[in-house]
Amino acid sequence: AAGVIQSPRHLIKEKRETATLKCYPIPRHDTVYWYQQGPGQDPQFLISFYEKMQSDKGSIPDRFSAQQFSDYHSELNMSSLELGDSALYFCASSSASGSTDTQYFGPGTRLTVL
Amino acid sequence: AQTVTQSQPEMSVQEAETVTLSCTYDTSESDYYLFWYKQPPSRQMILVIRQEAYKQQNATENRFSVNFQKAAKSFSLKISDSQLGDAAMYFCARGGTGTYKYIFGTGTRLKVLA
Repeated sequence: AAGVIQSPRHLIKEKRETATLKCYPIPRHDTVYWYQQGPGQDPQFLISFYEKMQSDKGSIPDRFSAQQFSDYHSELNMSSLELGDSALYFCASSSASGSTDTQYFGPGTRLTVL
Repeated sequence: AQTVTQSQPEMSVQEAETVTLSCTYDTSESDYYLFWYKQPPSRQMILVIRQEAYKQQNATENRFSVNFQKAAKSFSLKISDSQLGDAAMYFCARGGTGTYKYIFGTGTRLKVLA
């Protein structure tokens, strides 16, 4: 079965640079979520999109922005990177019209800011 | 605030034995979902089991089962016949209907002793 795809899997950036993370949800899933997991921490919700509209917003810095495109893939744009942005970024997808409300997670993008 | 609490940072179990991981949560909603996710060293988030709050019957998935006590807002995971491959970080999460984000607990690291 197809899973959530995230690219790149690893990313190394310098402070103050920008980064773009991409997420391709499971086919026919209409909702995408972004989570940030710092070292030794639990995943923290950043933002979500349903049918290309932002549906919820969590603790996402103003330096970050995201959107969902017509093909339902999503991109998380991060600017003015800081050392503290080093983390594992998960994308998850679900079907809002489904019966389980289960989110399926991608493998994550490991971002290292030097 | 709606929270999920895992009070056991670390647990150990002998191979082939049974272990129970605890989780409590706080919510004001009547319709919600509860999940256990496993995160091995690869850091992939793997769904272990889920429970719909409106169902009284406890969910089971092979060696994994839950004890769901809705009034007490408790959702523990029992792993029977523990195997070395069960060693991982386990996160309890609370979700909701539609596009509701997940709220994770802080995780329990499970060690399986040979």
